[in-house]
Amino acid sequence: GDSVTQMEGPVTLSEEAFLTINCTYTATGYPSLFWYVQYPGEGLQLLLKATKADDKGSNKGFEATYRKETTSFHLEKGSVQVSDSAVYFCALDGEGAQKLVFGQGTRLTINP
Amino acid sequence: GAVVSQHPSWVICKSGTSVKIECRSLDFQATTMFWYRQFPKQSLMLMATSNEGSKATYEQGVEKDKFLINHASLTLSTLTVTSAHPEDSSFYICSAPPASGTYEQYFGPGTRLTVT
Repeated sequence: GDSVTQMEGPVTLSEEAFLTINCTYTATGYPSLFWYVQYPGEGLQLLLKATKADDKGSNKGFEATYRKETTSFHLEKGSVQVSDSAVYFCALDGEGAQKLVFGQGTRLTINP
Repeated sequence: GAVVSQHPSWVICKSGTSVKIECRSLDFQATTMFWYRQFPKQSLMLMATSNEGSKATYEQGVEKDKFLINHASLTLSTLTVTSAHPEDSSFYICSAPPASGTYEQYFGPGTRLTVT
């Protein structure tokens, strides 16, 4: 079945550092790909998405490009802030039925 | 933005008892809601799809008689863990898309269940 693999955390960076969180996927078809973020005490929120190959999703300075050839959807941000501290989940929807398959999540901590 | 709430946020129950968890869409109607389970430091796993006015659809390996789902209205879905055991202890999360055909989903904050 479909699956998502994320780089293991936790990840700790200093403010203004460059961030990459790796995500690769396995799917039989052409899934839609997502990054969700969970801030402490809150529900998951959609951060960005890409629905077809070579699409780039972006939001709040975060970017991820749908790479079909490497089956990847790595999350990047050029300069992180303390407020970016959260748990980040990579996910896919392989059926178009809004049923998400999640990676294991990566906890990110940004120190001032 | 759209809000999904869950109640309770945290519950402790004894082995053998049943516990109900509510998921509500506060400012939109949801004909479909999803229930996920999250183990510590692990991914969210889809348990079932809750359909308003019809039976829930369960993922492979999920016991439908143990995890009863009722979607009684367009804003409320409930998950009842029956005859709970310590291995049912987990974090349960619901989500709802605000409209069909949209990629957006709104997630509840989750309910932590501890079975003693």
